[in-house]
Amino acid sequence: GQNIDQPTEMTATEGAIVQINCTYQTSGFNGLFWYQQHAGEAPTFLSYNVLDGLEEKGRFSSFLSRSKGYSYLLLKELQMKDSASYLCAVMDSNYQLIWGAGTKLIIKP
Amino acid sequence: GAVVSQHPSWVICKSGTSVKIECRSLDFQATTMFWYRQFPKQSLMLMATSNEGSKATYEQGVEKDKFLINHASLTLSTLTVTSAHPEDSSFYICSATDSSGGDYNEQFFGPGTRLTVL
Repeated sequence: GQNIDQPTEMTATEGAIVQINCTYQTSGFNGLFWYQQHAGEAPTFLSYNVLDGLEEKGRFSSFLSRSKGYSYLLLKELQMKDSASYLCAVMDSNYQLIWGAGTKLIIKP
Repeated sequence: GAVVSQHPSWVICKSGTSVKIECRSLDFQATTMFWYRQFPKQSLMLMATSNEGSKATYEQGVEKDKFLINHASLTLSTLTVTSAHPEDSSFYICSATDSSGGDYNEQFFGPGTRLTVL
């Protein structure tokens, strides 16, 4: 079956760095997405990786290793507004998104 | 660009009534639209994939007669929850992909519709 694993909840301090991991097992691979979702709102796109390596976008970076079925989202200089759920999703061979359960990130002052 | 709207944002209805939710792509044409449901503290659950001009493809366990999907144009898809019951109360989110090919088949999400069935 298809499976996406990510931690349920993480806590970090304002100004610090946090890494949210995601491992996946899917039928085919056409890219991995990270989305941010604030409570009661729809997800918003953060990043897309289809090749191995690190993609940096401001305070957020995303890494992919296809051979290991592994990705992480790195958030630097954490701000209180970064408190949200972070969803990892993999696009399978049918171009369908397979979603992880999300990681709730709590930022403390 | 790539804005998706949903209407209504929230709705409260009595058990047994039907509710229609609209999903519109405002500045692009969407060949494919997706309907998701999200219960509190859970991830998105894909309900169905809707292609313009054809019947929707429903995920296993989703009743097609209860959740009617119509994708009549490249900018509009509707989800009708028929004979709604309290267990249908959830956050319904649509997304759309840009038919022009866009970058990496990214799905653009609407703001969601919170349905509460009394």
